[in-house]
Amino acid sequence: ETGVTQSPTHLIKTRGQQVTLRCSSQSGHNTVSWYQQALGQGPQFIFQYYREEENGRGNFPPRFSGLQFPNYSSELNVNALELDDSALYLCASSYPTSASTEAFFGQGTRLTVV
Amino acid sequence: AQSVTQPDIHITVSEGASLELRCNYSYGATPYLFWYVQSPGQGLQLLLKYFSGDTLVQGIKGFEAEFKRSQSSFNLRKPSVHWSDAAEYFCALNTNAGKSTFGDGTTLTVKP
Repeated sequence: ETGVTQSPTHLIKTRGQQVTLRCSSQSGHNTVSWYQQALGQGPQFIFQYYREEENGRGNFPPRFSGLQFPNYSSELNVNALELDDSALYLCASSYPTSASTEAFFGQGTRLTVV
Repeated sequence: AQSVTQPDIHITVSEGASLELRCNYSYGATPYLFWYVQSPGQGLQLLLKYFSGDTLVQGIKGFEAEFKRSQSSFNLRKPSVHWSDAAEYFCALNTNAGKSTFGDGTTLTVKP
C-alpha cells in the first residue's frame, strides 16, 4: 500500500455541477500527477504539479483545473460536469521529477455524473 | 508522440499455466517502461520497471518482463499463474516522472 491517499472514494454529481477531488502525496514527494481512467480504458494523463506549479498538461479542456499546496497535497477541480466525466480519477506522487522515477498511485476517486 | 499498445484485451489461462501479456511501445528516445496491476475498483500497483541495463527484469509476485528494443516490446511473463493473479494489467511508458502513457490494459481471467 502506498502513502498516497485520495478523497472521497466515491461520489455522484449532477451534470453541470462542479467537483473537487483531493490527494495527499506520499511523504517527501513534491510532484503530483492526475489521471482519468474511463471504464475499459487505461489511465489518461490530465496534468502534473511540481512545487505548486503546473508542469505539463494532457489533452483535457480548461474546465479541468488543479492546485498544489505547500505541503504538496493537491486538488483536481472539474467545472460544468459532463456525463463523459464519469471515471476513476487517480492521483500519483513522485520525487524527484525525472523519467526514471517511479510514481506511486492512490486508490482513486470514482466519480459518477448523472 | 509516444504510444503504448496492448494487443490483447482479454486473456484467459488455467491456474498453473504460464502467462505472457504483450506490450508494444512507440517512442523516439530511451523508454522507461512499467507494468502495473489493478484489481477491480483499486488503484495501480507497480509490478516491475525497466530503465536500462539487463533486458530481463524481475518484479513482485513472480512476474518478469523482457525488453526488446528491436521489436519495441516489453512483454510481461509469469511461469505459473495463481487464481489471485486475475486482474487488469497495464503497460506504461514514462517520458517524465508521473507523466505516463498507458495502454488500454489486458484483463486476465484465471480458470480453476
